[in-house]
Amino acid sequence: KAGVTQTPRYLIKTRGQQVTLSCSPISGHRSVSWYQQTPGQGLQFLFEYFSETQRNKGNFPGRFSGRQFSNSRSEMNVSTLELGDSALYLCASSLELASREQYFGPGTRLTVT
Amino acid sequence: SQQGEEDPQALSIQEGENATMNCSYKTSINNLQWYRQNSGRGLVHLILIRSNEREKHSGRLRVTLDTSKKSSSLLITASRAADTASYFCATDDRGTGFQKLVFGTGTRLLVSP
Repeated sequence: KAGVTQTPRYLIKTRGQQVTLSCSPISGHRSVSWYQQTPGQGLQFLFEYFSETQRNKGNFPGRFSGRQFSNSRSEMNVSTLELGDSALYLCASSLELASREQYFGPGTRLTVT
Repeated sequence: SQQGEEDPQALSIQEGENATMNCSYKTSINNLQWYRQNSGRGLVHLILIRSNEREKHSGRLRVTLDTSKKSSSLLITASRAADTASYFCATDDRGTGFQKLVFGTGTRLLVSP
């Protein structure tokens, strides 16, 4: 099976712009979670989706949003970008909502200038 | 915020030596997982240990869990240069049924030939 894919892999944006990141889970996986990784804050949970519904959300401002499509693919959007949004954004998929083992994609490296 | 704190922050050893990393967490858990991350890439699931288990093995990996002390350790035996990576412990919100993983701060392991 193909692994979790994320696009784009690298992205440079300017403050104030918005960005959309995409994640395709492993075939058959219905749950997708998003994480932000920075040197200062480490790995932090953003949100998770299952069956096109957001099931849980981390402590991030409303500028961070996401959605999941019927084929389980997911997108996350960050509006009005700030310098502090520069990070590695990781997507993870798993079979079911209650599953514990997650499979991570390679991440999208976002740089905000 | 991160629930897990890992110790040491960085570890440098020679090939063939054993590497031990420790993780402490704050709240009750259903299970604890260990992940590996090669520089700037996605995370790879290594092993999951349930709250009612005390020890688990997988190849050269040995994980212990002490729920009374809210701590876990990961032992990598006969280390190889390819084991060079950051290692994270992750715990889940107990009882929520969600896949929200809370990651530790990570241990950077350097294995020199």
